[in-house]
Amino acid sequence: DAKTTQPPSMDCAEGRAANLPCNHSTISGNEYVYWYRQIHSQGPQYIIHGLKNNETNEMASLIITEDRKSSTLILPHATLRDTAVYYCIVRDVNSGNTPLVFGKGTRLSVIA
Amino acid sequence: DAGVTQSPTHLIKTRGQQVTLRCSPKSGHDTVSWYQQALGQGPQFIFQYYEEEERQRGNFPDRFSGHQFPNYSSELNVNALLLGDSALYLCASTHSGSRSGNTIYFGEGSWLTVV
Repeated sequence: DAKTTQPPSMDCAEGRAANLPCNHSTISGNEYVYWYRQIHSQGPQYIIHGLKNNETNEMASLIITEDRKSSTLILPHATLRDTAVYYCIVRDVNSGNTPLVFGKGTRLSVIA
Repeated sequence: DAGVTQSPTHLIKTRGQQVTLRCSPKSGHDTVSWYQQALGQGPQFIFQYYEEEERQRGNFPDRFSGHQFPNYSSELNVNALLLGDSALYLCASTHSGSRSGNTIYFGEGSWLTVV
């Protein structure tokens, strides 16, 4: 079972920041937080991952709380092409190549 | 740099038939995993191959089998197809060497319809 909880859906106005929350209250010390998204009928796309520090790349920023029990994915300027299902996943990377366990994700709709 | 490539992209099979799906991992990757995604659901892990052996397996019956070749490419075989096997089958690859959060990359998937 997935170890994360996400809202089933969110809306965001085009050009505004999209903030997608994720709860992972049972996360352990070896587990990273990963974010993927899946645009309709395509394979999941890697966005970003982190352990305890905030991370930023060309796609998004990941903010992890100090107790690591929750995180937020931020898309700074959402576009229509960001409409997708976003998955937050915790994964232990110290136990070999642990597979990803997907939950239901958050369906983000970016509205013009 | 080619990403993860899968073939075929779409196929239709009849109940009871067998199907083989193919995957080439991202350049430099040596570990391949397969996932099944039913309509409206998140992907579910089937199994993982490394060094031509199945290393981990999810909760899938023995009708689902696989193979990894010396060039790291992989096949997923499903025997005795059921209507419920209709799904998007995703291949994912990663490199086994990294410990600091190695990233898993997915292909675009193969859509299987069983009629």
